[in-house]
Amino acid sequence: SQLAEENLWALSVHEGESVTVNCSYKTSITALQWYRQKSGEGPAQLILIRSNEREKRNGRLRATLDTSSQSSSLSITATRCEDTAVYFCVSYQGGRALIFGTGTTVSVSP
Amino acid sequence: EAAVTQSPRNKVAVTGGKVTLSCNQTNNHNNMYWYRQDTGHGLRLIHYSYGAGSTEKGDIPDGYKASRPSQENFSLILELATPSQTSVYFCASGEGTGGWEQYFGPGTRLTVL
Repeated sequence: SQLAEENLWALSVHEGESVTVNCSYKTSITALQWYRQKSGEGPAQLILIRSNEREKRNGRLRATLDTSSQSSSLSITATRCEDTAVYFCVSYQGGRALIFGTGTTVSVSP
Repeated sequence: EAAVTQSPRNKVAVTGGKVTLSCNQTNNHNNMYWYRQDTGHGLRLIHYSYGAGSTEKGDIPDGYKASRPSQENFSLILELATPSQTSVYFCASGEGTGGWEQYFGPGTRLTVL
């Protein structure tokens, strides 16, 4: 069962533009993570945002969390071709493992 | 730098054959996980382990066994492979009570003919 799910299958932008991936989740969470998976690689964590945080930044990445609407977003500014990947919002099922959504494919073209 | 390696990277097996996928981590993490990734399903948890000698069933354990002989190694075993097990398999390691951050290997692409 997927506790968190991205809202769109795919997004396309040009280099230098900003892009936002949105996610909604179903139950109360301790934390929500954003992972990125490039083609041919395993997923890698980008940002972890805890339930008592509203915003978290990591370089060109900014994650927000709205516990009242049970939603999160990941924004990437000044996109580069190497940002092309599948982005997952991932919830933590206490004491066990991560629950991945199906992901949003972000394509950045020159 | 966290390191999780998987072998083989690609495998073609025949229906009914036995397949073993291996994972090694140098992070000294207690927790290790096996996922499979199929189009439209994201990553789904097959088995996981809290340490050497322990294995636990995940969400889709049927048709799979796991073995954790040491802190570093975690294997996924398909005793009787079927075409429905054709997929990309990822191993991951993590620390803490829930493994807040998991470090993934590069994946193994398995094709069962």
